[in-house]
Amino acid sequence: AQSVTQLDSHVSVSEGTPVLLRCNYSSSYSPSLFWYVQHPNKGLQLLLKYTSAATLVKGINGFEAEFKKSETSFHLTKPSAHMSDAAEYFCVVSAASGGSYIPTFGRGTSLIVHP
Amino acid sequence: GAGVSQSPSNKVTEKGKDVELRCDPISGHTALYWYRQSLGQGLEFLIYFQGNSAPDKSGLPSDRFSAERTGGSVSTLTIQRTQQEDSAVYLCASSLGGRTNTGELFFGEGSRLTVL
Repeated sequence: AQSVTQLDSHVSVSEGTPVLLRCNYSSSYSPSLFWYVQHPNKGLQLLLKYTSAATLVKGINGFEAEFKKSETSFHLTKPSAHMSDAAEYFCVVSAASGGSYIPTFGRGTSLIVHP
Repeated sequence: GAGVSQSPSNKVTEKGKDVELRCDPISGHTALYWYRQSLGQGLEFLIYFQGNSAPDKSGLPSDRFSAERTGGSVSTLTIQRTQQEDSAVYLCASSLGGRTNTGELFFGEGSRLTVL
């Protein structure tokens, strides 16, 4: 069994300030973890992924996430927010179960960036 | 093709009618997923195809929903006797599948269904 909890439904920041989107997961197996971004009326795009290599993962557009097994967390960060970062962000956990991979999505965090 | 293609991009139908949504995955991807995204909600898993194995239908919300995948490629999601609560964006995704599968999904743009 697997699940993912995004701790904030909305996060509001000012342009140029740091971004932190929080995600906790649970999984019975060694998971892969992902962050996807969805801009308004667009499809989902992969930001970054963790698949049991380095625990600090760098993604596109300056985003990073750190896998912390002891805390079962995979928080997404960015040092300086840009207006174009305003979007919906989804944390995803996926692990093989009987040869099947069915990724489970969090409910999403809406990032609002103020000028 | 270069990416996952879904059609139609928008569909408006009347309550009680049947609809079909199509997904053309990335060539060579053996895994195909359907998800549903309702307004302001996360993604709800519907069904998963992996190669020639029997699909995992555990996410289908009722027997009005069905899906098939022909020749291990194109998939069609069918909703019979549509209800207003079926209004949502239906997202298709594909992935490599098999032993190399890490669960990374490649999404189409979605089919927005509105049931009047």
